[in-house]
Amino acid sequence: DAGVTQSPTHLIKTRGQHVTLRCSPISGHKSVSWYQQVLGQGPQFIFQYYEKEERGRGNFPDRFSARQFPNYSSELNVNALLLGDSALYLCASTARENTEAFFGQGTRLTVV
Amino acid sequence: DQQVKQNSPSLSVQEGRISILNCDYTNSMFDYFLWYKKYPAEGPTFLISISSIKDKNEDGRFTVFLNKSAKHLSLHIVPSQPGDSAVYFCAGNTGRRALTFGSGTRLQVQP
Repeated sequence: DAGVTQSPTHLIKTRGQHVTLRCSPISGHKSVSWYQQVLGQGPQFIFQYYEKEERGRGNFPDRFSARQFPNYSSELNVNALLLGDSALYLCASTARENTEAFFGQGTRLTVV
Repeated sequence: DQQVKQNSPSLSVQEGRISILNCDYTNSMFDYFLWYKKYPAEGPTFLISISSIKDKNEDGRFTVFLNKSAKHLSLHIVPSQPGDSAVYFCAGNTGRRALTFGSGTRLQVQP
């Protein structure tokens, strides 16, 4: 069975650009969450979606947005990239809201 | 404000011995705790969890202990193996929504 898949695996962008990261959850999982992990820290919560509705939002600026599609895949969009947005972006899926989260391998974003 | 703290950034143990990783939390609303293991260039892998109504959960070599009065949990790995070398994160969860992670502890198991 395929796990959580994220694309791309690596990405280099210039300050001010926009980026879209993609995530496909485990088959049958209806909840997707996004996390940002910077070096030396634990993952920080960005968004959670369940059944295509936003269920939670972390303390991130409005430059960050996300959506979930009818097939439960998800996109994370970041506008006006800053150097500080350089991080590993992780997507996690859960079968329901009250089960363990399973993570993808992440997208390494570098902003130059 | 760090709601979940892992005060030991690193830990080194000998193969076959016990590894004990500690985690403290401040948010009394957490009702579920999880441990994840992370290798470089991979996403975190779920290890074991515990509900706040329990004080112990076991899964093979891994045992998690929860002390609610002290707001402390620990992960015991017995016996430790070189393949256990990774960064370990504990996380708290409220209402099964977003996970709040600690900063991680790097475990090195020496052969």
